[in-house]
Amino acid sequence: GNSVTQMEGPVTLSEEAFLTINCTYTATGYPSLFWYVQYPGEGLQLLLKATKADDKGSNKGFEATYRKETTSFHLEKGSVQVSDSAVYFCALKSTGSWGKLQFGAGTQVVVTP
Amino acid sequence: DAGVIQSPRHEVTEMGQEVTLRCKPISGHNSLFWYRQTMMRGLELLIYFNNNVPIDDSGMPEDRFSAKMPNASFSTLKIQPSEPRDSAVYFCASSLDREVNTGELFFGEGSRLTVL
Repeated sequence: GNSVTQMEGPVTLSEEAFLTINCTYTATGYPSLFWYVQYPGEGLQLLLKATKADDKGSNKGFEATYRKETTSFHLEKGSVQVSDSAVYFCALKSTGSWGKLQFGAGTQVVVTP
Repeated sequence: DAGVIQSPRHEVTEMGQEVTLRCKPISGHNSLFWYRQTMMRGLELLIYFNNNVPIDDSGMPEDRFSAKMPNASFSTLKIQPSEPRDSAVYFCASSLDREVNTGELFFGEGSRLTVL
């Protein structure tokens, strides 16, 4: 079956530091890949997505590249801010699965001033 | 624009009581999802509907859980009787699936359920 594995948190870093959150997946066919973000007390929001191999999703300074050869979709940001403190979820959607998403366990990121 | 609206935001109840969670999806969206989030199990898909029809309810834990979508603008998730292990945050999300490989979900703010 499909699965998503992401690095465990919490990840604690200082403001302006470089952030990487690793995500790898297992799926048949050509899934779409997503990063969602959950701020404290809120629901999940789509951060970025990529629908085919070598696509790069980007938003709010975050980037992730769909790497089919390594089945990865690592999230990066060059200079984090305190407001980026949140839980980040990697997710995939299989072809023809009616929008059903498979989420990873989530990675908590804490950015300190 | 209104997003996905869930109610109640918080619910505290005693074991054995019936709990009903409500969701109003974004107008025009044709898919609706109920997720449960716990520290131990993360985000689990319970059930999803497409055009008001349940497509996959394999994630529903047991017969105590039921979900309905009587029309395109309303869905309920009911737990009867509730148990302490049902304590979690329940999220409703909606989506518009024009294409097979687009799956952007719009989540509500969640209903935090505590069963004592």
